[in-house]
Amino acid sequence: NAGVTQTPKFQVLKTGQSMTLQCAQDMNHNSMYWYRQDPGMGLRLIYYSASEGTTDKGEVPNGYNVSRLNKREFSLRLESAAPSQTSVYFCASSEALRGSYNEQFFGPGTRLTVL
Amino acid sequence: KQEVTQIPAALSVPEGENLVLNCSFTDSAIYNLQWFRQDPGKGLTSLLLIQSSQREQTSGRLNASLDKSSGRSTLYIAASQPGDSATYLCAVRPRSGGSNYKLTFGKGTLLTVNP
Repeated sequence: NAGVTQTPKFQVLKTGQSMTLQCAQDMNHNSMYWYRQDPGMGLRLIYYSASEGTTDKGEVPNGYNVSRLNKREFSLRLESAAPSQTSVYFCASSEALRGSYNEQFFGPGTRLTVL
Repeated sequence: KQEVTQIPAALSVPEGENLVLNCSFTDSAIYNLQWFRQDPGKGLTSLLLIQSSQREQTSGRLNASLDKSSGRSTLYIAASQPGDSATYLCAVRPRSGGSNYKLTFGKGTLLTVNP
């Protein structure tokens, strides 16, 4: 059981380049999330997917797009990277979106630098 | 708006000491509270999940308590070890409003256990 996996682990981009961060989970969870973590700001939700086929914006969605490819996979795309998107990106999953027994499990993160 | 505060921001203790980490939140209407551990350069590992109806949860040397009415949670670590050194984050899931899918995180307490 790998849990939540993310690729790549590290990435350096130039301003204006695009890339896709990949996330997969093997826990048969319905809901998946993308967060970014910045010093002094804590973790902030970018996008989430309540279930396969649905996606919704979180707190900081500007500059990002997502795709819920199937139940296992949830990708995050930066169409035109900006230095402000330099951050550590975490994917997470949970059994359900709502409800009190909704424990979230996190991946190891992708460390992205935009020059 | 829900705000989560963790004090102190950093804590250094000698090995073997029992210690308490604090988490406070401004809105007591929550589904649950989750404690995480984050090692440097790594993802978040879920430690304990406390439902709003519970007072405490235990896992090994860890004990988390919840006092919803006062907006406080504590994470008690018994007989601390150098391997406990990490950043500890708490996060609450709000019950009210349409955004109860979203965890609100504190900024964490950096714990160092000295041999």
